[in-house]
Amino acid sequence: GENVEQHPSTLSVQEGDSAVIKCTYSDSASNYFPWYKQELGKRPQLIIDIRSNVGEKKDQRIAVTLNKTAKHFSLHITETQPEDSAVYFCAASWGSNTGKLIFGQGTTLQVKP
Amino acid sequence: ETGVTQTPRHLVMGMTNKKSLKCEQHLGHNAMYWYKQSAKKPLELMFVYSLEERVENNSVPSRFSPECPNSSHLFLHLHTLQPEDSALYLCASSQEAGQYEQYFGPGTRLTVT
Repeated sequence: GENVEQHPSTLSVQEGDSAVIKCTYSDSASNYFPWYKQELGKRPQLIIDIRSNVGEKKDQRIAVTLNKTAKHFSLHITETQPEDSAVYFCAASWGSNTGKLIFGQGTTLQVKP
Repeated sequence: ETGVTQTPRHLVMGMTNKKSLKCEQHLGHNAMYWYKQSAKKPLELMFVYSLEERVENNSVPSRFSPECPNSSHLFLHLHTLQPEDSALYLCASSQEAGQYEQYFGPGTRLTVT
């Protein structure tokens, strides 16, 4: 069945450094890849998404890259700040009209001041 | 109230009890979702409703019974649950059932004793 693998499960960086989280997906028909951020005790919130007709998308300090051939996509956070500390989830969808997302296991990012 | 709300926020129930979780969205969205979030596991989609019609049932046991009386309200009826059903149950909504941003509620922390 559909599967999304996410690595690493935990990531610790110094404030100001960059952080990279990687996901691979199994279904080659997947064409929509959102990233959600969940701060401790709070609800998940969309931070960026990318569709399969685009290779890269940026929004200020965050960017997502997509390699359809290798079936993987990555989240890049530059100039990390303590408020970036959270759990990040990648997800994949394959164009269904049901909104079904398959989520990765999550990455706990800790940014040390 | 704005966004997506859920009640109760915490629930403890015995395996023979019957209880219901409630979700309400104030965003004018047409699609609503139930997710299960367990420790160290990915977010698991349970059900999707589009305009009060169930469009996705992700192989969820029958002890979980969803109800969507209108596009703003979603319920999850629980009966004869198992301890392994203890988790955070998140509701979400999106503009339509498809590849749209999903807005999550705060969740109901369920403990089955």
